Amino acid sequence: GAGVSQSPSNKVTEKGKDVELRCDPISGHTALYWYRQSLGQGLEFLIYFQGNSAPDKSGLPSDRFSAERTGGSVSTLTIQRTQQEDSAVYLCASSLRDTSANTEAFFGQGTRLTVV
Amino acid sequence: TQLLEQSPQFLSIQEGENLTVYCNSSSVFSSLQWYRQEPGEGPVLLVTVVTGGEVKKLKRLTFQFGDARKDSSLHITAAQPGDTGLYLCAPSGAGSYQLTFGKGTKLSVIP
Repeated sequence: GAGVSQSPSNKVTEKGKDVELRCDPISGHTALYWYRQSLGQGLEFLIYFQGNSAPDKSGLPSDRFSAERTGGSVSTLTIQRTQQEDSAVYLCASSLRDTSANTEAFFGQGTRLTVV
Repeated sequence: TQLLEQSPQFLSIQEGENLTVYCNSSSVFSSLQWYRQEPGEGPVLLVTVVTGGEVKKLKRLTFQFGDARKDSSLHITAAQPGDTGLYLCAPSGAGSYQLTFGKGTKLSVIP
């Protein structure tokens, strides 16, 4: 498919376990974003990757959260020692960033994480 | 850090009514995007406004960018149930590539 793909679509995990969420961006898109969306809320920025530059990690809520992007394509968001407050939908987006900063972000359908 | 406010937070209206939602900030934006998110889906771009005072129309949706490029509005004429969703604004500042969203307006259009 040509869109942003996220997996798994749903994940139920026990408190204290680690989880990995995957994002396959649109081919050729240099920018990749992760967001968290709690039930009925807006999008909370987590982390931003742009090409080979150092990622902008300013939105990560704690050191239990980390993300990497391998080869400038696939990204993995890892949450260690999950807590119940981590339950949310995690959305990934990619865009073809240019210097105008006026490019469309394309979103995946998200991963719904439930920590029990 | 730009403070971004969307209002109202929630809006429930009858089919056929008109409505306006707002996106305001204390900062000047180089451009602003509006997205709509339907339940169970990721947000989808509706429009990008770039020039102060700019008005863009997308069928029954009218988007306006404030003259000072600090605020924007979205007006929907004769709302339909298909307009139901979360409307999010995302400004872009000069030199800033972080895509940050407002908290959104959750719109419910009742048949």
